[in-house]
Amino acid sequence: NAGVTQTPKFRILKIGQSMTLQCAQDMNHNYMYWYRQDPGMGLKLIYYSVGAGITDKGEVPNGYNVSRSTTEDFPLRLELAAPSQTSVYFCASTGWTGNEQFFGPGTRLTVL
Amino acid sequence: AQTVTQSQPEMSVQEAETVTLSCTYDTSESDYYLFWYKQPPSRQMILVIRQEAYKQQNATENRFSVNFQKAAKSFSLKISDSQLGDAAMYFCAYRPSSGGTSYGKLTFGQGTILTVHP
Repeated sequence: NAGVTQTPKFRILKIGQSMTLQCAQDMNHNYMYWYRQDPGMGLKLIYYSVGAGITDKGEVPNGYNVSRSTTEDFPLRLELAAPSQTSVYFCASTGWTGNEQFFGPGTRLTVL
Repeated sequence: AQTVTQSQPEMSVQEAETVTLSCTYDTSESDYYLFWYKQPPSRQMILVIRQEAYKQQNATENRFSVNFQKAAKSFSLKISDSQLGDAAMYFCAYRPSSGGTSYGKLTFGQGTILTVHP
């Protein structure tokens, strides 16, 4: 199993540009999450999904959108990128028990 | 809302010595889970240890153990026989029980940077 994969690993955006961060998992997990980690800080939840077609906001959803058309994929869309969105983005997933969240390797995004 | 606090931004330890990282949390729930995650410079989030609140026995995983004090809402991580590979950022995290609308969401502390000196 590949676990949780994320692409790209690094990206530099200009202010106002848009992009989609890709996330996929091959563990047949129902729950998926997007977090952001600002320098020297903990992770904060942006959006989460409890299954295909079902998504909901986390702690810091402004400036982002998500969709969940399949169990495997959970892309995060940034519209009109701003410097405040410079961060490392992590995707994670877990099964019904929630005993362990499996994290992707992260995407480092810089908005200039 | 639940909060998780790690009051030690940085800690250091000599190789082969023992170090304890502190974590406190605030919740009105009686059933929940607590976690310690390790984040080395590679950025990968690695689960170190998990504690179920309904279990009185402290969790252990090899050189890693916790001191879980439910009444005090304290959850510290003890690393014994520290190794150079233990150097990383360590995060404490909280999750409500799997029932209800928690959906496995984690609340993280701010992290503690651990340096291991040879």
